[in-house]
Amino acid sequence: KAGVTQTPRYLIKTRGQQVTLSCSPISGHRSVSWYQQTPGQGLQFLFEYFSETQRNKGNFPGRFSGRQFSNSRSEMNVSTLELGDSALYLCASSSGLTTYEQYFGPGTRLTVT
Amino acid sequence: AQTVTQSQPEMSVQEAETVTLSCTYDTSESNYYLFWYKQPPSRQMILVIRQEAYKQQNATENRFSVNFQKAAKSFSLKISDSQLGDTAMYFCAFVNAGNNRKLIWGLGTSLGVNP
Repeated sequence: KAGVTQTPRYLIKTRGQQVTLSCSPISGHRSVSWYQQTPGQGLQFLFEYFSETQRNKGNFPGRFSGRQFSNSRSEMNVSTLELGDSALYLCASSSGLTTYEQYFGPGTRLTVT
Repeated sequence: AQTVTQSQPEMSVQEAETVTLSCTYDTSESNYYLFWYKQPPSRQMILVIRQEAYKQQNATENRFSVNFQKAAKSFSLKISDSQLGDTAMYFCAFVNAGNNRKLIWGLGTSLGVNP
């Protein structure tokens, strides 16, 4: 099976802009989770989608949003970018049913200038 | 609060030696799953090993094994016969059972394997 893919791999944006990141899970997986990784805060959970519904949400402002499509692909959007949003954004997929292990994509490195 | 503590920010080991990475966690739930992930310089997060909290037997995956002490909320990772390719950040994480996949992470241990 193909692994989790994320596009784009690298992004440079300016403060105030918005950005959309994409994630395609492993075939057959219905759960997609998003994490933000920064040197200062480590790994923090953003949200999880399961069968097109947001199942869990972390403690991030409303500027961070996501959605999941019927083919389980997920997108994450960040509006009104701030310098502090610079991070590695990781997407993980899981079957979402009886197993709990998550498999990660290569990440999207977002730099906000 | 649900937390994961990795008390060793950095460790080093000689090739072919054995090293143990420490992890303690805190959760009020009784059913959960524990994981060790590896993140090499490529930044790809790779699942190393998992442990179900309801299982007393320690998980093993080739050269990787865990020492799971549920009462002490301790979950250490032992790497045997260390290889240069084991050089990476190692993260301990857990998720509570139920309708969620929210992983709670430690800050990681940077492991260097020396030739």
